[in-house]
Amino acid sequence: EVQLVESGGGLVQPGRSLKLSCAASGFTFSNYYMAWVRQAPKKGLEWVATISTSGSRTYYPDSVKGRFTISRDNAKSSLYLQMNSLKSEDTATYYCARHPTTRVYPHWYFDFWGPGTMVTVSS
Amino acid sequence: DIQMTQSPASLSASLGETVSIECLASEGISNDLAWYQQKSGKSPQLLIYAASRLQDGVPSRFSGSGSGTRYSLKISGMQPEDEADYFCQQSYKYPYTFGAGTKLELK
Repeated sequence: EVQLVESGGGLVQPGRSLKLSCAASGFTFSNYYMAWVRQAPKKGLEWVATISTSGSRTYYPDSVKGRFTISRDNAKSSLYLQMNSLKSEDTATYYCARHPTTRVYPHWYFDFWGPGTMVTVSS
Repeated sequence: DIQMTQSPASLSASLGETVSIECLASEGISNDLAWYQQKSGKSPQLLIYAASRLQDGVPSRFSGSGSGTRYSLKISGMQPEDEADYFCQQSYKYPYTFGAGTKLELK
């Protein structure tokens, strides 16, 4: 059974940093592109970052580019999101999600999601 | 960026009723469209990908259709467990964007 479990969320002041983690199990982690998707309270979903199977390629929307860094440790089946220079508009539940991946080619939707971890940016 | 416009924003349906939710993309997305269901307090779950392909384990009362810029999700026979928010997402072009969601309630 595919399982994704996020951790590391919490309350942080504007301008500070926070690092999220996601522990994966139930599938061969190194064979899949992985992503972070967020959802502000009572709002819609926003794709935040994607990383390739080896970690050599990363993708971000403009809203977080230069502030957020996605990384992975395939030996530990773990995904990370380093968030710097946090703003109030980064307040959201952050989900770890898996991209279906066929022969190292990703499909740009998400077939499994973790339960999420809440990040609140406030002074 | 491709804008995804979902309609309606909310609707209520009776048990057994057929429901349709629409998603309009601001440009053609070549059937690269996914639908997700999100129950209250839970994470989203994939229902449909490539506009019409049913994800494993999803009940057959869910179906997707469309082409070009217009897509729809149909629930053939509303069940109590279908009460949820539904989101569309285009997987055609960076950045990968979602619709604002449709809240479906049981009447």
